[in-house]
Amino acid sequence: GAGVSQSPSNKVTEKGKDVELRCDPISGHTALYWYRQSLGQGLEFLIYFQGNSAPDKSGLPSDRFSAERTGGSVSTLTIQRTQQEDSAVYLCASSTYEGYGYTFGSGTRLTVV
Amino acid sequence: AQSVAQPEDQVNVAEGNPLTVKCTYSVSGNPYLFWYVQYPNRGLQFLLKYITGDNLVKGSYGFEAEFNKSQTSFHLKKPSALVSDSALYFCAVRDPISSGSARQLTFGSGTQLTVLP
Repeated sequence: GAGVSQSPSNKVTEKGKDVELRCDPISGHTALYWYRQSLGQGLEFLIYFQGNSAPDKSGLPSDRFSAERTGGSVSTLTIQRTQQEDSAVYLCASSTYEGYGYTFGSGTRLTVV
Repeated sequence: AQSVAQPEDQVNVAEGNPLTVKCTYSVSGNPYLFWYVQYPNRGLQFLLKYITGDNLVKGSYGFEAEFNKSQTSFHLKKPSALVSDSALYFCAVRDPISSGSARQLTFGSGTQLTVLP
């Protein structure tokens, strides 16, 4: 597609429920990144995919967080047993292999109540 | 390890005046540097980047940034601010000799720019 698409744009969930966030990157971009932006905070790196290589999961805050990327394209970030501190905007970005710059999606605002 | 500092949480400037948003960085090699802007309830939009070449980089919406290697800085500037420039600005860095996981951009904490009419 022309841009990075994220869905849903907003998600309200009850504490303890699982949620899935979706990212559809720009066609042809081999790299895909997930970041988290908490209220009033900067961007916190979560996970990075590059082609068919094993993802870098070093930024995932706990084992409740996981992500996969199917067919080198669409990615899903899953948060299990959500907690209130998971409330944030989850941003996805994609880039070419060289990583000269990212294109961001509009984000998913997750609210855990 | 790479890091970015944006020393000002908030910058206020009057419309028509020049603006500067500060950024300093730390990487082991020559950096790739970026500026992004975020409007309320939106994702980040790319403004400009420095990869190599001229130290003065021109970007979108009349913004420019100057790469200063000796001061490890990459300050964002605009000669004449507009009210519509009010937004959250992020500086980011990447070490180009990094590979694998280190290809990720490291972002600063952001600077809220308010342009007063």
